[in-house]
Amino acid sequence: GESVGLHLPTLSVQEGDNSIINCAYSNSASDYFIWYKQESGKGPQFIIDIRSNMDKRQGQRVTVLLNKTVKHLSLQIAATQPGDSAVYFCAESEGNTPLVFGKGTRLSVIA
Amino acid sequence: ETGVTQTPRHLVMGMTNKKSLKCEQHLGHNAMYWYKQSAKKPLELMFVYSLEERVENNSVPSRFSPECPNSSHLFLHLHTLQPEDSALYLCASSHQRSLVGYTFGSGTRLTVV
Repeated sequence: GESVGLHLPTLSVQEGDNSIINCAYSNSASDYFIWYKQESGKGPQFIIDIRSNMDKRQGQRVTVLLNKTVKHLSLQIAATQPGDSAVYFCAESEGNTPLVFGKGTRLSVIA
Repeated sequence: ETGVTQTPRHLVMGMTNKKSLKCEQHLGHNAMYWYKQSAKKPLELMFVYSLEERVENNSVPSRFSPECPNSSHLFLHLHTLQPEDSALYLCASSHQRSLVGYTFGSGTRLTVV
């Protein structure tokens, strides 16, 4: 089956800088995308989602960009803080099918 | 707390043991899921229950047996597991027909010895 993957397994950023986490997906029929954050000892927590009829959506300090032409999804975190250190997963879904997750990117924030 | 509670948080069991994982949600959701999270692998979907009926079994070995007695509770019964079954088992719930993502519990860290 088709799957979602991540370009980089680890990302280190300085506190205060912006972070960009990338995700490639292969199912061109996917119409819903979501980013999760997973801290150590916890389950994944919802960050932000986007539907395929949009190309950008903003939340509090986070922005998700969707490029359907190249099947690419990214998560931008502004003014990265130590509390942002975690593993970030993208996931996609087509219709009402269960979410398919990527491998995850570990974000480390350097104080 | 996310509204999805999993117990126990940690479990060590021998290969001949029988144990059960429990998941409970009071979010009014009507779909529940079991995912397996192993090191360096994507989250793997195991089972999906919608309105208390199993709608998906993702080629999971029969040593894993799910049970959904009502829309608020989900169990995963384990028996004669293998060491490679050691992983974090995550439960999630959602409104089945909603496009909003799932709410996850904190997981049960399972170690098979």
